[in-house]
Amino acid sequence: GAVVSQHPSRVICKSGTSVKIECRSLDFQATTMFWYRQFPKQSLMLMATSNEGSKATYEQGVEKDKFLINHASLTLSTLTVTSAHPEDSSFYICSARPPQGTNYGYTFGSGTRLTVV
Amino acid sequence: GDSVTQMEGPVTLSEEAFLTINCTYTATGYPSLFWYVQYPGEGLQLLLKATKADDKGSNKGFEATYRKETTSFHLEKGSVQVSDSAVYFCALSDLLGGGADGLTFGKGTHLIIQP
Repeated sequence: GAVVSQHPSRVICKSGTSVKIECRSLDFQATTMFWYRQFPKQSLMLMATSNEGSKATYEQGVEKDKFLINHASLTLSTLTVTSAHPEDSSFYICSARPPQGTNYGYTFGSGTRLTVV
Repeated sequence: GDSVTQMEGPVTLSEEAFLTINCTYTATGYPSLFWYVQYPGEGLQLLLKATKADDKGSNKGFEATYRKETTSFHLEKGSVQVSDSAVYFCALSDLLGGGADGLTFGKGTHLIIQP
């Protein structure tokens, strides 16, 4: 149980365009999801916390106008990288908080490799 | 704030060697502790976890014991295999202790197992 699906796994886009990444909880309702960014050979940095039905909470230094997060349902959160630039190229991973009362750890999607050319 | 410190790699071992990856933490509350594994090009998979002192998490031959007195959660495996080659992340969640939501990660340890 507690499976998170992330799509797409890889995307290449031109500089200046926008890219949407989806994160779905397949077999549970996720009121809270998280978006992380991982630079090569580095750890995961929390970008924002996404709460269903309310605005996302962004970590310091993360531009909310560039990284738009929408969590319109209990099973779907999306991250849109707007006006992407090469420095936005990275590995983005979503995660969902485990359902209350379960023994699962935080569950992660398989990640999205974004390359901006 | 919360933080996780783990030994930096890469750690290179021969197959069947004993593995220890050290992890220590600081937290404002009483955190839950996790080890995640990331295989090349993939997301993170939960390897094991522990939610209270002296708990031992175990999975796939890996073990880690929650040591409150030393604020540590070292990962061990008695005999590693080539297929264990991956990046291992130690992490904590301090939500119940009043800390921030989400996970705080260590920097990751790249493990390379040679045949």
